[in-house]
Amino acid sequence: DIQLTQSPSFLSASVGDRVTITCRASQGISGSLAWYQQKPGKAPNLLIYATSTLQSGVPSRFRGSASGTQFTLTITSVQPEDFATYYCQQLHVYPLTFGGGTNVDLK
Amino acid sequence: EVQLVESGGGLVQPGGSLRLSCVVSGVSFSTHAMSWVRQAPGKGLEWVSSITTSGDATFYAESVEGRFTMSKDDSRATVYLQMSSLGVEDTAIYYCATYITPRFDYWGLGTLVTVTS
Repeated sequence: DIQLTQSPSFLSASVGDRVTITCRASQGISGSLAWYQQKPGKAPNLLIYATSTLQSGVPSRFRGSASGTQFTLTITSVQPEDFATYYCQQLHVYPLTFGGGTNVDLK
Repeated sequence: EVQLVESGGGLVQPGGSLRLSCVVSGVSFSTHAMSWVRQAPGKGLEWVSSITTSGDATFYAESVEGRFTMSKDDSRATVYLQMSSLGVEDTAIYYCATYITPRFDYWGLGTLVTVTS
């Protein structure tokens, strides 16, 4: 199975900060990585897929990138509505797997 | 507008069974595969199962293989998750999601399954 190691698990930030979350895959996944945002009591919401493609309607301050098996989600200037938990997911091969999540809260 | 509405969750005793349903509107089963994802209280997301657009293939997490069965009824635009031999570790919110490679693009609100004696 492909393991996804997300870091950090927790992150405190101020409005306007640049936030970076990483997701390392245990093997190559051919760029088949998605990022989701989840707010308390809500369903996950797709942000980015195929490493760097922004889902329709998602603000451009969210960016995805990769270097080898390390994937990165960057929020260029975090806004109040961005405080949430973020998950990466690989869709390269079954079983599909999620990272452990990163909780971004207000400093 | 795309809508996914899950139902069928509730309280069940260990060893019991439950069938979840997810009614889908606003998206075509011919273009979207479907999946179930669960989230235990205070925990992260766990992929559970997926079914292809044609329904001829299903895939399961090892933790549910042999106990859960996913199916679909195109005429009712509904996917199902038949769960049996439930244990306390299956307690979670179960979400259905549409799956068009390579992402889960739409999600339902979820249905809570609680396994307790």
